[in-house]
Amino acid sequence: QVQLQESGPGLVKPSGTLSLTCAVSGGSISSSNWWSWVRQPPGKGLEWIGEIYHSGSTNYNPSLKSRVTISVDKSKSQFSLKLSSVTAADTAVYYCARVKWSSGWVDYWGQGTLVTVSS
Amino acid sequence: EIVMMQSPATLSVSPGERATLSCRASQSVNSNLAWYQQKPGQAPRLLIYGASTRATGIPARFGGSGSGTEFTLTISSLQSEDFAIYYCQQYNNWPPLTFGGGTKVEIK
Repeated sequence: QVQLQESGPGLVKPSGTLSLTCAVSGGSISSSNWWSWVRQPPGKGLEWIGEIYHSGSTNYNPSLKSRVTISVDKSKSQFSLKLSSVTAADTAVYYCARVKWSSGWVDYWGQGTLVTVSS
Repeated sequence: EIVMMQSPATLSVSPGERATLSCRASQSVNSNLAWYQQKPGQAPRLLIYGASTRATGIPARFGGSGSGTEFTLTISSLQSEDFAIYYCQQYNNWPPLTFGGGTKVEIK
Protein backbone atom coordinates (compact mmCIF):
# COMPACT_ATOMS: atom_id res chain seq x y z
CA GLN A 1 0.00 0.00 0.00
CA VAL A 2 1.53 3.27 -1.12
CA GLN A 3 1.67 5.99 1.50
CA LEU A 4 2.38 9.66 0.92
CA GLN A 5 3.26 12.11 3.68
CA GLU A 6 3.64 15.86 3.27
CA SER A 7 5.93 17.92 5.46
CA GLY A 8 7.01 21.54 5.64
CA PRO A 9 6.32 24.88 7.32
CA GLY A 10 2.70 25.65 8.08
CA LEU A 11 3.25 29.41 7.92
CA VAL A 12 4.94 31.38 5.16
CA LYS A 13 5.34 35.15 4.90
CA PRO A 14 3.93 37.03 1.93
CA SER A 15 6.41 37.30 -0.96
CA GLY A 16 8.28 34.33 0.44
CA THR A 17 8.67 30.82 -0.91
CA LEU A 18 6.49 27.91 0.12
CA SER A 19 8.45 24.66 0.36
CA LEU A 20 6.94 21.23 0.92
CA THR A 21 8.24 17.69 0.69
CA CYS A 22 6.34 14.46 0.12
CA ALA A 23 7.78 11.20 1.38
CA VAL A 24 6.79 8.11 -0.60
CA SER A 25 6.64 4.73 1.11
CA GLY A 26 5.18 1.34 0.32
CA GLY A 27 6.21 1.63 -3.31
CA SER A 28 9.08 2.82 -5.48
CA ILE A 29 9.29 6.45 -6.49
CA SER A 30 10.99 5.16 -9.62
CA SER A 31 7.91 3.22 -10.71
CA SER A 32 5.75 4.35 -13.62
CA ASN A 33 3.85 7.13 -11.92
CA TRP A 34 3.52 10.87 -11.99
CA TRP A 35 4.06 12.39 -8.55
CA SER A 36 1.77 15.35 -8.20
CA TRP A 37 0.80 18.30 -6.05
CA VAL A 38 -2.82 19.42 -5.64
CA ARG A 39 -4.04 22.24 -3.43
CA GLN A 40 -7.36 23.25 -1.90
CA PRO A 41 -7.99 26.71 -0.44
CA PRO A 42 -10.16 26.63 2.70
CA GLY A 43 -13.76 25.89 1.77
CA LYS A 44 -12.97 25.73 -1.95
CA GLY A 45 -12.29 23.17 -4.65
CA LEU A 46 -9.22 21.31 -5.87
CA GLU A 47 -6.49 22.79 -8.05
CA TRP A 48 -3.77 20.73 -9.72
CA ILE A 49 -0.37 22.39 -9.33
CA GLY A 50 1.92 20.10 -11.26
CA GLU A 51 3.71 16.76 -11.42
CA ILE A 52 7.07 15.09 -11.84
CA TYR A 53 8.21 11.72 -13.17
CA HIS A 54 11.18 9.94 -11.63
CA SER A 55 13.25 10.90 -14.67
CA GLY A 56 12.79 14.53 -13.68
CA SER A 57 10.30 15.38 -16.39
CA THR A 58 7.76 17.91 -15.13
CA ASN A 59 4.42 19.41 -16.06
CA TYR A 60 2.95 22.49 -14.42
CA ASN A 61 -0.39 24.23 -14.30
CA PRO A 62 -0.07 27.20 -16.69
CA SER A 63 -1.70 29.44 -14.08
CA LEU A 64 1.16 28.78 -11.64
CA LYS A 65 3.99 27.82 -13.93
CA SER A 66 6.05 30.98 -13.44
CA ARG A 67 6.20 30.40 -9.68
CA VAL A 68 6.37 26.60 -9.32
CA THR A 69 9.26 24.17 -9.19
CA ILE A 70 8.80 20.47 -8.51
CA SER A 71 11.82 18.25 -7.97
CA VAL A 72 12.50 14.63 -7.05
CA ASP A 73 15.11 12.99 -4.85
CA LYS A 74 15.10 9.30 -5.66
CA SER A 75 17.73 8.49 -3.05
CA LYS A 76 15.38 9.74 -0.33
CA SER A 77 12.19 8.52 -2.04
CA GLN A 78 10.66 11.96 -1.92
CA PHE A 79 9.58 14.81 -4.14
CA SER A 80 9.24 18.47 -3.37
CA LEU A 81 7.27 21.59 -4.22
CA LYS A 82 8.50 25.16 -4.22
CA LEU A 83 6.07 28.02 -4.84
CA SER A 84 7.60 31.47 -4.93
CA SER A 85 6.23 34.98 -4.39
CA VAL A 86 3.34 33.71 -2.32
CA THR A 87 0.33 35.78 -1.33
CA ALA A 88 -2.69 35.13 0.87
CA ALA A 89 -4.35 33.54 -2.16
CA ASP A 90 -1.85 30.68 -1.86
CA THR A 91 -3.20 29.72 1.56
CA ALA A 92 -4.48 26.19 1.14
CA VAL A 93 -4.24 22.57 2.11
CA TYR A 94 -1.54 21.11 -0.09
CA TYR A 95 -1.79 17.45 -1.04
CA CYS A 96 0.81 15.27 -2.64
CA ALA A 97 -0.64 12.56 -4.83
CA ARG A 98 0.13 9.76 -7.26
CA VAL A 99 -1.15 9.52 -10.82
CA LYS A 100 -0.35 6.24 -12.55
CA TRP A 101 1.54 6.65 -15.83
CA SER A 102 -0.86 7.24 -18.71
CA SER A 103 -3.94 6.90 -16.47
CA GLY A 104 -4.71 10.47 -15.45
CA TRP A 105 -6.57 9.83 -12.23
CA VAL A 106 -5.22 10.14 -8.70
CA ASP A 107 -5.16 6.79 -6.96
CA TYR A 108 -3.22 7.75 -3.82
CA TRP A 109 -3.30 10.96 -1.81
CA GLY A 110 -1.34 12.26 1.12
CA GLN A 111 -3.28 13.46 4.15
CA GLY A 112 -2.65 17.08 3.21
CA THR A 113 -0.95 19.91 5.04
CA LEU A 114 -2.31 23.39 5.63
CA VAL A 115 -0.03 26.22 4.61
CA THR A 116 -1.04 29.71 5.66
CA VAL A 117 0.48 32.79 4.04
CA SER A 118 0.53 35.58 6.58
CA SER A 119 2.88 38.08 8.12
CA GLU B 1 -7.59 24.32 -20.57
CA ILE B 2 -10.77 22.30 -20.16
CA VAL B 3 -13.20 23.78 -17.63
CA MET B 4 -15.28 21.36 -15.58
CA MET B 5 -18.61 22.49 -14.18
CA GLN B 6 -20.64 20.61 -11.59
CA SER B 7 -24.26 20.95 -10.64
CA PRO B 8 -25.96 21.42 -8.37
CA ALA B 9 -23.59 23.03 -5.89
CA THR B 10 -25.56 21.46 -3.05
CA LEU B 11 -27.88 18.47 -3.15
CA SER B 12 -30.18 17.70 -0.21
CA VAL B 13 -31.15 14.04 -0.07
CA SER B 14 -32.71 11.79 2.52
CA PRO B 15 -30.93 8.58 3.54
CA GLY B 16 -31.99 5.70 1.32
CA GLU B 17 -32.87 7.98 -1.57
CA ARG B 18 -31.10 8.23 -4.92
CA ALA B 19 -28.67 11.07 -5.64
CA THR B 20 -27.79 12.24 -9.14
CA LEU B 21 -24.81 14.57 -9.61
CA SER B 22 -23.85 16.21 -12.89
CA CYS B 23 -20.54 17.20 -14.40
CA ARG B 24 -20.09 19.05 -17.68
CA ALA B 25 -16.89 19.67 -19.62
CA SER B 26 -16.23 22.76 -21.74
CA GLN B 27 -15.15 20.45 -24.58
CA SER B 28 -15.18 16.73 -25.13
CA VAL B 29 -13.10 14.65 -22.74
CA ASN B 30 -14.27 11.36 -24.27
CA SER B 31 -14.54 8.97 -21.30
CA ASN B 32 -11.48 10.35 -19.55
CA LEU B 33 -13.27 11.41 -16.40
CA ALA B 34 -12.87 10.51 -12.74
CA TRP B 35 -15.02 11.10 -9.67
CA TYR B 36 -13.78 11.62 -6.13
CA GLN B 37 -15.44 11.77 -2.73
CA GLN B 38 -14.12 14.08 -0.02
CA LYS B 39 -15.19 14.14 3.61
CA PRO B 40 -14.35 16.97 6.00
CA GLY B 41 -10.70 16.99 7.03
CA GLN B 42 -9.82 14.16 4.66
CA ALA B 43 -8.11 13.83 1.33
CA PRO B 44 -10.27 13.01 -1.68
CA ARG B 45 -10.88 9.34 -2.45
CA LEU B 46 -11.10 7.94 -5.96
CA LEU B 47 -14.54 6.52 -6.72
CA ILE B 48 -14.79 6.20 -10.50
CA TYR B 49 -12.40 6.41 -13.45
CA GLY B 50 -12.97 6.00 -17.15
CA ALA B 51 -16.35 7.66 -16.52
CA SER B 52 -17.92 4.40 -15.33
CA THR B 53 -15.37 2.03 -13.77
CA ARG B 54 -15.49 1.77 -10.01
CA ALA B 55 -12.17 1.96 -8.21
CA THR B 56 -11.08 -0.86 -5.96
CA GLY B 57 -13.30 -1.29 -2.92
CA ILE B 58 -15.99 1.17 -4.03
CA PRO B 59 -19.53 -0.11 -3.33
CA ALA B 60 -21.82 -0.96 -6.22
CA ARG B 61 -24.29 1.78 -5.19
CA PHE B 62 -21.90 4.27 -6.84
CA GLY B 63 -22.33 4.42 -10.60
CA GLY B 64 -20.86 6.66 -13.26
CA SER B 65 -22.09 7.31 -16.77
CA GLY B 66 -21.65 9.64 -19.71
CA SER B 67 -19.09 10.54 -22.33
CA GLY B 68 -18.04 13.57 -24.32
CA THR B 69 -19.13 16.59 -22.31
CA GLU B 70 -21.93 15.30 -20.05
CA PHE B 71 -21.38 12.98 -17.09
CA THR B 72 -23.40 11.72 -14.16
CA LEU B 73 -22.54 10.18 -10.81
CA THR B 74 -25.42 8.27 -9.28
CA ILE B 75 -25.59 7.02 -5.73
CA SER B 76 -28.45 4.55 -5.78
CA SER B 77 -29.36 4.52 -2.09
CA LEU B 78 -27.60 7.05 0.09
CA GLN B 79 -25.97 5.75 3.23
CA SER B 80 -24.93 7.98 6.13
CA GLU B 81 -21.28 7.69 5.13
CA ASP B 82 -22.02 9.03 1.64
CA PHE B 83 -22.76 12.57 2.75
CA ALA B 84 -19.70 14.39 1.46
CA ILE B 85 -18.44 16.59 -1.38
CA TYR B 86 -17.98 15.01 -4.79
CA TYR B 87 -15.59 16.25 -7.48
CA CYS B 88 -15.22 15.32 -11.11
CA GLN B 89 -11.86 15.57 -12.87
CA GLN B 90 -10.89 15.30 -16.52
CA TYR B 91 -7.66 13.80 -17.79
CA ASN B 92 -8.30 13.84 -21.55
CA ASN B 93 -6.30 17.02 -22.12
CA TRP B 94 -3.58 16.57 -19.51
CA PRO B 95 -1.66 18.53 -18.45
CA PRO B 96 -3.28 20.23 -16.76
CA LEU B 97 -5.60 17.97 -14.82
CA THR B 98 -8.73 19.98 -14.05
CA PHE B 99 -11.41 19.49 -11.44
CA GLY B 100 -15.00 20.61 -11.17
CA GLY B 101 -16.06 22.91 -8.36
CA GLY B 102 -17.72 20.11 -6.43
CA THR B 103 -21.21 19.07 -5.33
CA LYS B 104 -21.98 18.84 -1.65
CA VAL B 105 -24.42 16.06 -0.79
CA GLU B 106 -26.12 16.90 2.48
CA ILE B 107 -28.76 15.29 4.62
CA LYS B 108 -32.27 16.49 3.88
